[in-house]
Amino acid sequence: NAGVTQTPKFQVLKTGQSMTLQCAQDMNHEYMSWYRQDPGMGLRLIHYSVGAGITDQGEVPNGYNVSRSTTEDFPLRLLSAAPSQTSVYFCASIGLAGNTGELFFGEGSRLTVL
Amino acid sequence: AQSVTQLGSHVSVSEGALVLLRCNYSSSVPPYLFWYVQYPNQGLQLLLKYTTGATLVKGINGFEAEFKKSETSFHLTKPSAHMSDAAEYFCAVLSSNTGKLIFGQGTTLQVKP
Repeated sequence: NAGVTQTPKFQVLKTGQSMTLQCAQDMNHEYMSWYRQDPGMGLRLIHYSVGAGITDQGEVPNGYNVSRSTTEDFPLRLLSAAPSQTSVYFCASIGLAGNTGELFFGEGSRLTVL
Repeated sequence: AQSVTQLGSHVSVSEGALVLLRCNYSSSVPPYLFWYVQYPNQGLQLLLKYTTGATLVKGINGFEAEFKKSETSFHLTKPSAHMSDAAEYFCAVLSSNTGKLIFGQGTTLQVKP
């Protein structure tokens, strides 16, 4: 999707390893979010941010950390990966200016934890 | 609290029949509402959205949805199903003051010939 860069697209980890999923947007959006998608459960909100320096927990935050040091970047960190974190992850960038409700998503990251 | 409920995890229709996918939401502020479609092993594609103004929203591929505030609903419809409509559909609600975006659990649409 134009404007949101999410990396990596695929990653295999061993239990206990750490990694960071990167998400960057160039639209100056104030809001960004991370989701995980699992079969039959839709997209569940992990963490979200309402601006640089401000983050909040979503529906399933355990095992994940985030930070928002700049408006552009919103990385998602797994400090000690577990098999339950095997999933597809999506980053979203959200703009509310002018009542447009702009949503842009990254292409997704497929993570497998062995 | 903000939430989204999609009624029916699986919906099956015959080709040419009406498609109706149900979505109810709760939000403490006027919401922005979205419908997305996802084909296997692909990302999310926006079908339509409601932010303000006209409550009947037309989207791509012949889909439309109506925002009914009194019923807190945003059901997705299409008059005549096509085989290519078989996919998973997600309803989402965005808080207009916090930027928090929540998705429903999804509805898989099957279209039978």
